[in-house]
Amino acid sequence: NAGVTQTPKFRILKIGQSMTLQCAQDMNHNYMYWYRQDPGMGLKLIYYSVGAGITDKGEVPNGYNVSRSTTEDFPLRLELAAPSQTSVYFCASTKDGSDEKLFFGSGTQLSVL
Amino acid sequence: QKEVEQDPGPLSVPEGAIVSLNCTYSNSAFQYFMWYRQYSRKGPELLMYTYSSGNKEDGRFTAQVDKSSKYISLFIRDSQPSDSATYLCAMSSLDSGNTGKLIFGQGTTLQVKP
Repeated sequence: NAGVTQTPKFRILKIGQSMTLQCAQDMNHNYMYWYRQDPGMGLKLIYYSVGAGITDKGEVPNGYNVSRSTTEDFPLRLELAAPSQTSVYFCASTKDGSDEKLFFGSGTQLSVL
Repeated sequence: QKEVEQDPGPLSVPEGAIVSLNCTYSNSAFQYFMWYRQYSRKGPELLMYTYSSGNKEDGRFTAQVDKSSKYISLFIRDSQPSDSATYLCAMSSLDSGNTGKLIFGQGTTLQVKP
């Protein structure tokens, strides 16, 4: 049971480049989330999904897009990378939106130069 | 004013010490309170969960919620070097309870020295 798997672990982008951060979970969880973590700033919610085909904005959605075509996968797309998107990105999931336990992936460290 | 405030530390204590970690918040609608532990270069993992006011104990860890003061605490007894990590408080309201959206504090970095 792998849990929540994120790829890649590290990536360096040039300003204006695009990329997709991958997130997959094998726990049959309905709810999935993308957070970013900046030093000293805690985690901020970018986008979330309560099921396949359903997504919604979180606190800091600008510059990102998501899709949820399957229960297992929840990719995060950066279309025009900017230095302000340098951060560590975490994907998380939970079975039914219960606040008791989010399962987090190990993160993707992204630098935009 | 941030919705959730947490002293980022760092906090350094000797092995065996009692550690107190705290968060204050401004949104009186928060009902669910959590503590996550995050080791270096890892994702956060849930440590403690409390609904509304009161205490909850799990081994060496005790979580307290004082809604009247909008203040939550995590106590670690007999701290161990393996407790060295960043501790994040998180909370949510009934309105967001069915979406799992959490508001996190900034995290407190703890180092327990042998």
